[in-house]
Amino acid sequence: AQSVTQPDIHITVSEGASLELRCNYSYGATPYLFWYVQSPGQGLQLLLKYFSGDTLVQGIKGFEAEFKRSQSSFNLRKPSVHWSDAAEYFCAVVYVGGGNKLTFGTGTQLKVEL
Amino acid sequence: KAGVTQTPRYLIKTRGQQVTLSCSPISGHRSVSWYQQTPGQGLQFLFEYFSETQRNKGNFPGRFSGRQFSNSRSEMNVSTLELGDSALYLCASSSVPSDTQYFGPGTRLTVL
Repeated sequence: AQSVTQPDIHITVSEGASLELRCNYSYGATPYLFWYVQSPGQGLQLLLKYFSGDTLVQGIKGFEAEFKRSQSSFNLRKPSVHWSDAAEYFCAVVYVGGGNKLTFGTGTQLKVEL
Repeated sequence: KAGVTQTPRYLIKTRGQQVTLSCSPISGHRSVSWYQQTPGQGLQFLFEYFSETQRNKGNFPGRFSGRQFSNSRSEMNVSTLELGDSALYLCASSSVPSDTQYFGPGTRLTVL
């Protein structure tokens, strides 16, 4: 069964510092990969997605992610974190032919220290 | 374009009751999926509808059901509510299956 692992449950960074959130997915058919962000009491906002092509994808709010097939990873990065980035971040995968069944990781809660 | 809308935003029910949640997708989107989010189980896929047909179903009991109308709006129903059904229910829409899903704000269901 497809699965997504986000090994870091909580991460704390200082404002202005760089950020990397890790995501690994189970090997399978061609994956479509996503990062979503959720603020308290809110729905999920799409940050970026990877379907095919260039393995480095740019998203909103200055985020980027790199797809590495050999490592089954899709890590999210941001060069300089802002206090407003504090939220929970979810990595998700759906496989080609799998319809809309997104499988989510358990999420990483990001805290930003001023 | 307006985003995905869900109604109601908050709901309180008692055990044994049933509940219906509604989702209006982004205009032009024909695929709607539902997810349940709880602190213990995280985000779990419930079901997916496209062109009024259920295409995929997650591992939930038969008390959870849904449907999609000809205008792509969708409803999900939970019968005989249990305490464990307390969760945030999220609806997502996409233009077609396997395309990017955009989420609504969710319906917070509390079962007492």
